[in-house]
Amino acid sequence: GAVVSQHPSWVICKSGTSVKIECRSLDFQATTMFWYRQFPKQSLMLMATSNEGSKATYEQGVEKDKFLINHASLTLSTLTVTSAHPEDSSFYICSARDGGLDTQYFGPGTRLTVL
Amino acid sequence: QQQVKQSPQSLIVQKGGISIINCAYENTAFDYFPWYQQFPGKGPALLIAIRPDVSEKKEGRFTISFNKSAKQFSLHIMDSQPGDSATYFCAASSNTGNQFYFGTGTSLTVIP
Repeated sequence: GAVVSQHPSWVICKSGTSVKIECRSLDFQATTMFWYRQFPKQSLMLMATSNEGSKATYEQGVEKDKFLINHASLTLSTLTVTSAHPEDSSFYICSARDGGLDTQYFGPGTRLTVL
Repeated sequence: QQQVKQSPQSLIVQKGGISIINCAYENTAFDYFPWYQQFPGKGPALLIAIRPDVSEKKEGRFTISFNKSAKQFSLHIMDSQPGDSATYFCAASSNTGNQFYFGTGTSLTVIP
């Protein structure tokens, strides 16, 4: 149980385009979802927290107009990187938490490369 | 400010040995302490977790030791195997907040 999927697993795009990443909780209802960014050999950097049906809360330094988060249902959250640039290239990971569970369950991650 | 401090940054252990990773925290409101295992190119996977009402939790070869007074907790991997080679993250959270605070990670290499 407690499986979180992400799609796509990797994406390559040209600079200036927008990319959407989907995060789904497959066997539980995720009242809260989180989006992280991870650079090579570094820890997880929380970008934003979203609760179903409400606006995401962004961490300091994260541009909310660049990283659009939509938590449309209890099983789906999307991260859209708008007008992507090479510096946005990174490993993006989502996680989900059921209000009745203690822990966060992570997706497999999405490798974004912006050319 | 790093809410959870993790050490060592990297660790090399011989097959069959014991791997020990340590974490420390300051916020006494934290009441949930999970450990995650991450392989390259994959998302972190929950390994084992503990609450402060117990001092130790064991699942197979993995044990968490928890010292509430010292505000420290550690992961012990017994009989370490090459397949355990991965990055391990400790984390902490409180029931009053959603956010998990992660350590900086430990890269474990188990050599045959």
